[in-house]
Order: sequence, then structure tokens, then C-alpha cells
Amino acid sequence: RKEVEQDPGPFNVPEGATVAFNCTYSNSASQSFFWYRQDCRKEPKLLMSVYSSGNEDGRFTAQLNRASQYISLLIRDSKLSDSATYLCVVLRSSASKIIFGSGTRLSIRP
Amino acid sequence: EAGVTQFPSHSVIEKGQTVTLRCDPISGHDNLYWYRRVMGKEIKFLLHFVKESKQDESGMPNNRFLAERTGGTYSTLKVQPAELEDSGVYFCASSQDLASGANVLTFGAGSRLTVL
Repeated sequence: RKEVEQDPGPFNVPEGATVAFNCTYSNSASQSFFWYRQDCRKEPKLLMSVYSSGNEDGRFTAQLNRASQYISLLIRDSKLSDSATYLCVVLRSSASKIIFGSGTRLSIRP
Repeated sequence: EAGVTQFPSHSVIEKGQTVTLRCDPISGHDNLYWYRRVMGKEIKFLLHFVKESKQDESGMPNNRFLAERTGGTYSTLKVQPAELEDSGVYFCASSQDLASGANVLTFGAGSRLTVL
């Protein structure tokens, strides 16, 4: 079983829709969590960190559920420019481990 | 502030040849990471430097891969001899303080390696 798992998608939704995807992690020692966005043939870029209390940045909301060991990303009022692969990243600083999920592909259609 | 830079952006070599990829991290970042993404697969960790020391090289696939970071500045990743399965995009990332969580990883644009 992979340490970090994501639904690969693709999620194909119309512009303006709300879309959410989860990422599960298996190691309870995981300490920090992030969502990265990767556009086609580009490097991953930090979208947002995920805090225990949940956090919001504009149309994006990230949540962490330590009990069930998953994080989520909610995108409201989706735009065409949101089309990308969203990577879940988990950090275990005690082991200097940064583990990537396989990514969820999101495609927004007009 | 200059970001993480990688060179070359794309390299096409024949099986059996040698390729050396270079990464210049953000100035002052002690932590430097190499990752690889092969076609259709997730990004996989290769190794982690703290300054010039290899903190973790558990992700290095085999002894055809050699990474160095002399002087704790830029890093090189050499593949010798290259095999077909080495094709992919090699990302370098740097981080100032892993434990803080506030500034985790900044990635370079990647070096795409194609082995024919």
C-alpha cells in the first residue's frame, strides 16, 4: 500500500462547479501536509499548506482529519485555469521524509 | 530572488551514455532534494542533501546514479550508464527549514531526460 494515496481522476467538471478531492496517508507520524499544483510539463508549485484547523485561500479550502488520516481540497466556483494536477504532499520531519501522492488530474470544461 | 534552476532543461542520449544534471538551489537553502517522475507515475524521492551531506539516499534506484553536492551549494546527479527506464523528468527542490513547514519545497523546472 502506498504511504500517500490519491484518486488519480481525471475529474472533469464544468466551469463554476465545486469540486473536492481527498488524499489519504498511512503513517500516523506524518506531521505537515500540503497541496501542490502541477501544470502540464511544469514543476510542482505550492498551492497551500493544510492546517489542523482547516484553512481557506480564496476559492480553495483545505482540511485535515488526523483521526481518519486524510486531507481534502475543495475548489469553489472553478475556473478554466484551475485545470491541472493536484499533488498531495506529506511531510514527516522526524525522518526528513517528504512523500508525494500520485496526483489528481482536474479538467475544467467551459 | 532567483529560484531553483536546473540544467539542462532537456537531454536526449542513447542507452549506455552518461548524463549529468545540475541543480542550483535557492541561495541559503541548506536542504536540497532530487525527485524523479517517470511517465504515468508519481513523483518519487531520490535523495536529500543537508548542505554537502547526504541525509537520505534511500530513493536512489541503483548504483548507476551518483549525486554530489560539493561545498553545499549546487548539486549534480550523474546517470552512468543510462538505461531506457531512466527516462523521465528529474526535479530538484530546495528548502530552507524542513521542520518549520512554512516554506517547504521550491521546485526547479526540471530536467527532462530521454534515453533512446
